[in-house]
Amino acid sequence: QVQLQESGPGLVKPSETLSLTCAVSRYSINSGYYWGWIRQPPGKGLEWIGSLYHSGSTYYNPSFKSRITISVDTSKNQFSLKLSSVIAADTAVYYCARVISSGDPGMGSFDFWGQGTLVTVSS
Amino acid sequence: DIVMTQSPDSLAVSLGERATINCKSSQTVLYSSNNKNYLAWYQQKPGQPPKLLIYWASSRESGVPDRFSGSGSGTDFTLTISSLQAEDVAVYYCQQYYTGPLTFGGGTKVEIK
Repeated sequence: QVQLQESGPGLVKPSETLSLTCAVSRYSINSGYYWGWIRQPPGKGLEWIGSLYHSGSTYYNPSFKSRITISVDTSKNQFSLKLSSVIAADTAVYYCARVISSGDPGMGSFDFWGQGTLVTVSS
Repeated sequence: DIVMTQSPDSLAVSLGERATINCKSSQTVLYSSNNKNYLAWYQQKPGQPPKLLIYWASSRESGVPDRFSGSGSGTDFTLTISSLQAEDVAVYYCQQYYTGPLTFGGGTKVEIK
């Protein structure tokens, strides 16, 4: 089965950039599928951040405006999230997941998820 | 954005009884060209990532027990657990993938009465 594992700093200072990586195993990112990031503030619901394809095509949630960058490193079979100018409200568990495409680029449901990593924004 | 509204926020059901969770979208998620509803359901247990249960509103993901079923079309959907088991205690979320941004409902917490 496909496995995903998030990694990155658990603490980020306000106004700095949050950087996370999702390592994919038992499946080659180059083989297809879209890959996505979703976050969940403590005790709250789920929010889609964005998705990408192995070609590098990206699809972002407009609510993040120009703060996010999602990229892929196919040589390492991983993809990354950068969220700039973070504030306390960006504190959340961040998940990476595989997207079952609905046919529209970047859109779909999520069948395999990482365990998630808690990122706290605090000085 | 399509707003997904779930009800109730929480419910307590006796073991072996039926649990019903509702999800309403602010606009249709039914694609008329293929007659598919772009709606998924997830189960999330404490400390775990969400688990996909249902996609296309009523298609069960591989390995999901058949006591879980999805129904509905257009803007109104239901997740039914036909006979609640102890391991079904969790928060359940609906998600639309009809159009971006992808959006989730607020969640429904299911507990044992």
